[in-house]
Amino acid sequence: EVQVLESGGGLVQPGGSLRLSCATSGFTFNNFAMTWVRQSPGKGLEWVSTISGSAESTYYADPVKGRFTISRDNSKNTLFLQMNSLRGEDTAIYYCAKDLGGLRGNDFWGQGTLVTVSS
Amino acid sequence: EVVLTQSPGTLSLSPGERATLSCRASQSVSSNYLAWYQQKPGQAPRLLIYGASSRATGIPDRFSGSGSGTDFTLTISRLEPEDFAVYYCQQYNTSPWTFGQGTKLEIK
Repeated sequence: EVQVLESGGGLVQPGGSLRLSCATSGFTFNNFAMTWVRQSPGKGLEWVSTISGSAESTYYADPVKGRFTISRDNSKNTLFLQMNSLRGEDTAIYYCAKDLGGLRGNDFWGQGTLVTVSS
Repeated sequence: EVVLTQSPGTLSLSPGERATLSCRASQSVSSNYLAWYQQKPGQAPRLLIYGASSRATGIPDRFSGSGSGTDFTLTISRLEPEDFAVYYCQQYNTSPWTFGQGTKLEIK
């Protein structure tokens, strides 16, 4: 059974940093790209970042480029999102999601972790 | 950036009726890279359709997707009570991989 579990969210001051983790099991982790998607309170879904299975390729949405870094540890089946220079508009639930294959969709999602940026 | 515009913003229907949701792209999207998701309150999104028309594992056949180029459609043939939710399209054709703003399907 595929499992995806995010952690690391919390309250952080503007300008601060936070590192999200996403522990996975039930599939061959290094065979699949992984993605972070966020959702601000009461708003729609926003793609944040994607990393290929080998970690050779990374992709970022413009609002987070230069501030967030996606990475993965294939030996531990874990995905990360390092978030620096956080802003109020980064407040959201952050979801970790497994790629279906071939970057055609995300078939397994975690329940999300809430990041709140506020003084 | 590919902008996806979903319509209508809200759709009010009754159980048993047919629902037709639209997703229009600002530039052509390969059918291989268009997906639909369902999200219920307090839950993570759920993949319904990938490749514009392929149902994901476990998705009932009352859900179908169609379209090409810039116009895509999600159809729910006969609404069940559990289908009332928010639906999003997403394109993976060109980075950034954008979502539409969502269509809320509510009970009339």
